[in-house]
Amino acid sequence: DSGVTQTPKHLITATGQRVTLRCSPRSGDLSVYWYQQSLDQGLQFLIQYYNGEERAKGNILERFSAQQFPDLHSELNLSSLELGDSALYFCASSVGEGSEAFFGQGTRLTVV
Amino acid sequence: DQQVKQNSPSLSVQEGRISILNCDYTNSMFDYFLWYKKYPAEGPTFLISISSIKDKNEDGRFTVFLNKSAKHLSLHIVPSQPGDSAVYFCAATPSDYGGSQGNLIFGKGTKLSVKP
Repeated sequence: DSGVTQTPKHLITATGQRVTLRCSPRSGDLSVYWYQQSLDQGLQFLIQYYNGEERAKGNILERFSAQQFPDLHSELNLSSLELGDSALYFCASSVGEGSEAFFGQGTRLTVV
Repeated sequence: DQQVKQNSPSLSVQEGRISILNCDYTNSMFDYFLWYKKYPAEGPTFLISISSIKDKNEDGRFTVFLNKSAKHLSLHIVPSQPGDSAVYFCAATPSDYGGSQGNLIFGKGTKLSVKP
């Protein structure tokens, strides 16, 4: 158990809908990262937050957004969902920047 | 364009033998490299890392080698055990991300199967 909690574990929704994925980092970790793993793809970095502030952006679509709250949990919002958004979404956390990141078990999103 | 490439999607080795997983990268700004292991239905787990100032890092049965001139790194597992069967991801981070290990560029992974 990495200490990073992601909910829900599975999510099935229809095209055009909006969903919110939640991540609770390890106790004491200030950095939260979101990754997407599509079929046959490696892990794609989406976005990073550190202590509530956005720190880095990767290949995140404009339909996607994220935030980190004062209690340090984070949410990834995916809107106007398309079939191609079906993927595993991982959250990771670390104490700070430059320290090892620990991954949650992921949320499997299926868009039908 | 993939910046981190793991050209072998799968590898099968016999228990007790050496497993060698390879990774190539194209971005010369990468200066920190990591290997993660992933079991089905679980998130990736950090395994071992190496900084660009080193050419070798060892942790128990796991050794990572870095050849900067060839932009190549490899993970050696000796001896291989059935419990090592998993997908192994190579990852790299560029120096301009302030050394944050979270802003990782991952390869597509190599599925290792260790047969008893």
